[in-house]
This record gives sequence, structure tokens and C-alpha cells, in this order.
Amino acid sequence: EAGVVQSPRYKIIEKKQPVAFWCNPISGHNTLYWYLQNLGQGPELLIRYENEEAVDDSQLPKDRFSAERLKGVDSTLKIQPAELGDSAVYLCASSLDAFDNEQFFGPGTRLTVL
Amino acid sequence: QQQVKQSPQSLIVQKGGISIINCAYENTAFDYFPWYQQFPGKGPALLIAIRPDVSEKKEGRFTISFNKSAKQFSLHIMDSQPGDSATYFCAAVSGGYNKLIFGAGTRLAVHP
Repeated sequence: EAGVVQSPRYKIIEKKQPVAFWCNPISGHNTLYWYLQNLGQGPELLIRYENEEAVDDSQLPKDRFSAERLKGVDSTLKIQPAELGDSAVYLCASSLDAFDNEQFFGPGTRLTVL
Repeated sequence: QQQVKQSPQSLIVQKGGISIINCAYENTAFDYFPWYQQFPGKGPALLIAIRPDVSEKKEGRFTISFNKSAKQFSLHIMDSQPGDSATYFCAAVSGGYNKLIFGAGTRLAVHP
């Protein structure tokens, strides 16, 4: 069974440029999460989706970050414009549903903003 | 607000030794406590987890000890191997909310 797929794996951009990350969760998983992991720290939740609905986006900086999960499968996280402080690893995870505590993580996208 | 405090930040253990990582939490609503293992360039992977109705859970060389009254839990890695060298994160989840709150991580190095 394929795990959570993320692309690109690495991205280097200039500050003020836009960037987008893509995630394909494990087949059949209804709940999808985006996490931010700064160097040397644990992941922090940005947004959680139940199917197509964003049910927890309280930690998402909405002035520059946006996310969508059309059709309740794949998801895209966008930053526009990117700032130097956005350099981090962006992790996508999925779980069977909202009641399943086990979350499966993808390999992440390492973003470097110059 | 850091809701899960993890220590030590880094740990060096000799092959065959016991690695011990500790975590403490504040929110008594947490009811699921997983440990994740992360290798460089990879996402975190679930290693072992425990619920507060038991004091210990063992899976192979990995054991979680849980002290509900002290609001502390720890990971013990017996017979540590160089392949165990990774970053370990404890985490906690609130019932019905399913939001993982991670500790800051412990970088473990097992020397041959």
C-alpha cells in the first residue's frame, strides 16, 4: 500500500514569490493534515480536513497561507507571498477518519526562502 | 504554549544500552500518547502509543511507561542499536479532537 505522497520534495524560492505544495493521502483516508516543522522542533498543525471541509485552521496564517482539498482526496497548500521565516519542512499526514488517532506522515517538502 | 515538554534534547548511548526519553504534559484532557520516530529526510512514523488506562506498554525493544498522577510518560529503548539513531518525538492527543501536540524532539545517537 502506497503511503502519503508529497511533492515537490524540495523547493527553493526567492522571498515574495508564491509556492505550492501537493499532497496525496493514503487511499481511503478521509482526514488530511498539514503540519509545519521548523528545524529542531516537533511538527505543528496548520490545518485539518475532514473530507473537503477544513475543520481546524486556527493555526494557519490566513494572510499568506491558503489550502484546499477539492473532491476530498488530494490537497494543496499555498504560500503567497513567501517570507524568509517560512523556510521549514511542510508535512502532510492522513488518518482513516476523525476518530482514528493514528496519523501517517508523508516525507515532507523542504522549503527554502532566499 | 508548550503543552508537551520533552527531555533530553539529545542523547548518546552505546550499542546495547538503554535509551530513556521523558515527556510531561499539562492538559488532563489528553487521552492518547504516541511516540514517533523520524529519520533525516523522512516524515515521522508511529513507533508505539499508549492510553492512560494502562501504566506500561511494550512492543519488542520499545516500552512506554505512563504515570497518570504525575502527568509524565517515557520511552525506553532496550538493547539500543545504531539503526535506532533518529529523532524521537512524544505527542499527546485530546479525545474527540485528534490534534497531535508534539514535544520538541530528542535526537538519539547510538554508537557502535
